[in-house]
Amino acid sequence: AQTVTQSQPEMSVQEAETVTLSCTYDTSESDYYLFWYKQPPSRQMILVIRQEAYKQQNATENRFSVNFQKAAKSFSLKISDSQLGDAAMYFCAYRSLERSNYKLTFGKGTLLTVNP
Amino acid sequence: NAGVMQNPRHLVRRRGQEARLRCSPMKGHSHVYWYRQLPEEGLKFMVYLQKENIIDESGMPKERFSAEFPKEGPSILRIQQVVRGDSAAYFCASPAPGSSYNEQFFGPGTRLTVL
Repeated sequence: AQTVTQSQPEMSVQEAETVTLSCTYDTSESDYYLFWYKQPPSRQMILVIRQEAYKQQNATENRFSVNFQKAAKSFSLKISDSQLGDAAMYFCAYRSLERSNYKLTFGKGTLLTVNP
Repeated sequence: NAGVMQNPRHLVRRRGQEARLRCSPMKGHSHVYWYRQLPEEGLKFMVYLQKENIIDESGMPKERFSAEFPKEGPSILRIQQVVRGDSAAYFCASPAPGSSYNEQFFGPGTRLTVL
């Protein structure tokens, strides 16, 4: 079974600065997707960014980018120019591609605080 | 995502009562995933349903929990004889139609409180 580990329960960053959230995972599969979801105080789960394991190029979405290291099974999220609205819980998630079941396996999350 | 509907948003039950949580997936979609988020935890997969079929229930507790997705109407997650440990946020998710990633979009969740 796959596992996802987020080793930082809490992180803080100054507004306009850059922060990196860590995620590692364990799998024996070669094809999979990785995701970062954001959960603000409203509790709505919002997809931030996705990465296909077969792609070497790191995904980017505006101020959000990932550092995907397949051999190390590492998938960190970098938030540049942090904004107050970025404050939220961030969850890393894994999804297998080797079957048609698209269930997600989540880490325990990292609570990000943005200081003005 | 506004396309996935859940109700109620908040549900309060006393120990021993039944809880029914409803989920309507994105329009035109017939796949629903249920997840549970305990306090201070990440989301954990419970069950995956297609219309009238349970595809994967490997995350469902063996007792008191059941799920269905009838031909007509929403998917229902049913918890019988609730206990305090069932207090959690319950989310359903639906794959986005037409998405090459088949990424899941989540409903707003139902927050269950057991007194």
